[in-house]
Amino acid sequence: GAVVSQHPSRVICKSGTSVKIECRSLDFQATTMFWYRQFPKQSLMLMATSNEGSKATYEQGVEKDKFLINHASLTLSTLTVTSAHPEDSSFYICSAQAGTSGGSSYEQYFGPGTRLTVT
Amino acid sequence: RKEVEQDPGPFNVPEGATVAFNCTYSNSASQSFFWYRQDCRKEPKLLMSVYSSGNEDGRFTAQLNRASQYISLLIRDSKLSDSATYLCVVNDRGGADGLTFGKGTHLIIQP
Repeated sequence: GAVVSQHPSRVICKSGTSVKIECRSLDFQATTMFWYRQFPKQSLMLMATSNEGSKATYEQGVEKDKFLINHASLTLSTLTVTSAHPEDSSFYICSAQAGTSGGSSYEQYFGPGTRLTVT
Repeated sequence: RKEVEQDPGPFNVPEGATVAFNCTYSNSASQSFFWYRQDCRKEPKLLMSVYSSGNEDGRFTAQLNRASQYISLLIRDSKLSDSATYLCVVNDRGGADGLTFGKGTHLIIQP
């Protein structure tokens, strides 16, 4: 159980175009999904927290108008990288939280990641 | 700024040996702690949660020292398949926040 998928797994796009990445929880409902980014030899960095039916909360330094997040249902969140530049090339990973009410430790399940290359 | 610090390694260890990693975190209010494993160019996978009383899962033992803000992972009887990057991970609000990741410790098990 607790499977998270991401699509596409790899994408190459030209500078200035937009790319949409989908994150789906396949066998559970996730009220909260998170988007992370990982540059080579760096740690995963949280970009934003996405709650179903409300606006995403972005971490400091992450441009909300550039990284558009939509969490339309309990099983789907999308990240759109708008007007992509080569410096946006990175490994984008989502996670979905399968928590229980009143629990103190919510596990996060990660998708397989999307490797974006902007040329 | 929330930080999680780890020795990046690499740790080169012979198969069958015992290896230990440490990690420190800066936010004393952190509530949940984890070790994740990440293979090259893959997503991180949860290895184990870390509890205040310490916990064990097979060959893996995790310890938490809240006073020193220090987390450890011990791997006994290491296998070739244990080669990976081990990420120390902290959650500050017990689940409501995203996770804060260390940069990871790279482990290489040698035959």
